Order: sequence, then C-alpha cells, then structure tokens
Amino acid sequence: GAVVSQHPSWVICKSGTSVKIECRSLDFQATTMFWYRQFPKQSLMLMATSNEGSKATYEQGVEKDKFLINHASLTLSTLTVTSAHPEDSSFYICSARDLQGTDTEAFFGQGTRLTVV
Amino acid sequence: LAKTTQPISMDSYEGQEVNITCSHNNIATNDYITWYQQFPSQGPRFIIQGYKTKVTNEVASLFIPADRKSSTLSLPRVSLSDTAVYYCLVGDKGGGFKTIFGAGTRLFVKA
Repeated sequence: GAVVSQHPSWVICKSGTSVKIECRSLDFQATTMFWYRQFPKQSLMLMATSNEGSKATYEQGVEKDKFLINHASLTLSTLTVTSAHPEDSSFYICSARDLQGTDTEAFFGQGTRLTVV
Repeated sequence: LAKTTQPISMDSYEGQEVNITCSHNNIATNDYITWYQQFPSQGPRFIIQGYKTKVTNEVASLFIPADRKSSTLSLPRVSLSDTAVYYCLVGDKGGGFKTIFGAGTRLFVKA
C-alpha cells in the first residue's frame, strides 16, 4: 500500500512553546489529509480535514487557532500545536487519501507522540 | 456516517481462529465496510474491505450477510503478534470520507 510518513515520531516540548508535526505522502498525491488525536486506551478522534490549497475544516470542539493546519502541497500537510500545554500531550496521527484516484482505503502515518512538560 | 458497535475486548489463544463481529444497522446503500488494525503507538493499518458476501485476502476474511447490517472479521490461526485493536468502519470506500473511528475491539492473544 501507499506510504504516509510523519515526522517527528516523538517530541517533548516545554509548556508555552509551539510544535510542528509533518505528514507526507511518499508515493501518491494526497488531495485530502486528516489529523487525529488519540489518548491512551482510547480511539482515534478526528480533529480536522485538510484539503490541498484551501483552509482546513475543523471538527466541533477543536480550536483552529491552537491547532494550525497547513496543506500547501499535494504531498505535505503540517499540524502546529501552538502554545502547547500538558493537556495537549497525546498521540497525533495523520492519514491521507487520494480522492481523485482509485485507492479504496485511507493510509495512516506512524503517529507522533507529543509530550508537553 | 453509520455508527458501528463492536465488542470492547476479546481474548484468544495462539493458533485459534478469531471472529470479531461489528454491527452497523444504519449502513447506507453506497457504504463499504472497512477494518483497520492498530498496534500501540502506531497508526492504523488497513486489513480488509468489502461490500457484500465474502472477501478474503492474505491476512483475513470478511463475511457480510445479505442485509449488510453486520460484518465479521475472521483472523485465521492468530499469533501473539495479532494482539492489537481492531476497528470496523462504515462509509464510502476508505471507511468514509472522514474515516471516523469507533471504539474498536481490543484483541489479546495468549500463548
């Protein structure tokens, strides 16, 4: 299957700082990317849908000014957690789909473990 | 998006066949059924997808009855490495445009 790569795999940052997470589709053009957050022993929670060249669509309850999403190219989307606090510590996962292609499933990155201290 | 219901957890032993059933009573005509596997601290991995009857690949089989209100993921001869969370999703191809995840089933395979 297609490959989606996230970077970094883990990051520790101080409270109040910002952290950027990258999501790249390595062998296909991702017209749409999704960002999820997952807390321990819980399911994935969709945060936002990112469409190339347009503003992201955020799910209810997700602060768009805190979680900045940029999808500037067909192979890269970034999630920036601004002014991070300990409660933002979580596992962040992206997925990508080529809605103009023939792929039938969403491809997921390996996830990024964010710890805010 | 159709809601799915799965058992929260299941236990099995190595070498056994494991069947995980998912209920999706409100599945729409155009919806597909997709299953993902997730290991701790990793992103979900696609297992199998189907629309009706039976689908089989090198990893699993997916059984879908005629009314499509449920589906069963069958894992033949599980091993310890199959211990993971399994998610059933219903929606357009790819589990729905937004790929919304339910609670999943935590499978624990014992030696």
